[in-house]
Amino acid sequence: GEDVEQSLFLSVREGDSSVINCTYTDSSSTYLYWYKQEPGAGLQLLTYIFSNMDMKQDQRLTVLLNKKDKHLSLRIADTQTGDSAIYFCAEIYGQNFVFGPGTRLSVLP
Amino acid sequence: NAGVTQTPKFQVLKTGQSMTLQCAQDMNHEYMSWYRQDPGMGLRLIHYSVGAGITDQGEVPNGYNVSRSTTEDFPLRLLSAAPSQTSVYFCASSYGTGKGYTFGSGTRLTVV
Repeated sequence: GEDVEQSLFLSVREGDSSVINCTYTDSSSTYLYWYKQEPGAGLQLLTYIFSNMDMKQDQRLTVLLNKKDKHLSLRIADTQTGDSAIYFCAEIYGQNFVFGPGTRLSVLP
Repeated sequence: NAGVTQTPKFQVLKTGQSMTLQCAQDMNHEYMSWYRQDPGMGLRLIHYSVGAGITDQGEVPNGYNVSRSTTEDFPLRLLSAAPSQTSVYFCASSYGTGKGYTFGSGTRLTVV
């Protein structure tokens, strides 16, 4: 089946940039997504990128897509304590989403 | 404008009991799905539906049933609860393929 991989943990200092990486296997995915999960809550769609794009920027968020290497990254500029959460990468496979295991971002003061 | 509503938020079951997790959405989304979330494993698809009257199995369907009699509701039934079904369950809906999901806030289920 399809597989999405992420590192499980990332720690950064407040004010630094965070980069969360993801690799996926289905080269036919038309969209790739980043979701954020805060403690005790459901997943919230942060941003997505269409497969014919290399980069998408939305305020503090920058998504980079390398289709050749099947690599997706999410950069958060000026990381704040409110950014502490689990971040999930997801791809479309058929009609369904396949999620990575999630990267727990800890922001240190 | 409630979005996706899941009930209950917490539940404790004894092994062998059955129960239904409720999910309702008010956005007229055709696509609905159920996921379970376990530590370090991300979200795994249990069942999904592309419209009223249509359901299909996901990655981990064993021990669960679903039905979709209306566009709004997509209940998940546990037939005979087992400790391995201890998890957090999320319902999600979408306009369709390629559109982002809207998630409910989850049901935390413990089977003892």
